[in-house]
Amino acid sequence: SQTIHQWPATLVQPVGSPLSLECTVEGTSNPNLYWYRQAAGRGLQLLFYSVGIGQISSEVPQNLSASRPQDRQFILSSKKLLLSDSGFYLCACTGTGGTLNTEAFFGQGTRLTVV
Amino acid sequence: AQSVAQPEDQVNVAEGNPLTVKCTYSVSGNPYLFWYVQYPNRGLQFLLKYITGDNLVKGSYGFEAEFNKSQTSFHLKKPSALVSDSALYFCAVRDFDTGGFKTIFGAGTRLFVKA
Repeated sequence: SQTIHQWPATLVQPVGSPLSLECTVEGTSNPNLYWYRQAAGRGLQLLFYSVGIGQISSEVPQNLSASRPQDRQFILSSKKLLLSDSGFYLCACTGTGGTLNTEAFFGQGTRLTVV
Repeated sequence: AQSVAQPEDQVNVAEGNPLTVKCTYSVSGNPYLFWYVQYPNRGLQFLLKYITGDNLVKGSYGFEAEFNKSQTSFHLKKPSALVSDSALYFCAVRDFDTGGFKTIFGAGTRLFVKA
């Protein structure tokens, strides 16, 4: 089964600083990849998803961007962090493009605090 | 539009008692339904899924869920709760309105199991 590696686990960054969170996947090829943000330990907000290298779909307009430079690498970035970017960020993957009945595998998350 | 609802923010149960975490869904076709669990400061873990077949689905850690098409429900159940089951539980449905690449998550239900 798939394994998601996500780092760092925690991050404290000042307002206006850049951000780069990295996620890599093992155990599958051509996965669908996702970045979620979870506020206050509750619901998940889908930020970006990708069905292939260089293919990024953005769900909500915001201060963040995503890139997929390799098949199993997904990066979440920001040029200048805002206080409102604080939250728990989760990377996830599902099976290859046409396998819609597969469950999602999640990384362990990054808790970002912008100060 | 596809949607999933978890009507209870919190469920409290005594250890050893049966537990139920409720979920209802709204989809335009046949639903692909999932349950996930999240422990504090961790990513989500897959518990079980319903795609087709037997309405009673068995999953990890002794959990099961019953798919009820007439009531559009997919409640999570366990015959005897453990303190270690205390966590945040998410019901989810695959979003076929957008090609099936995305998963719609409920807002989550926090389960407290008291010793």
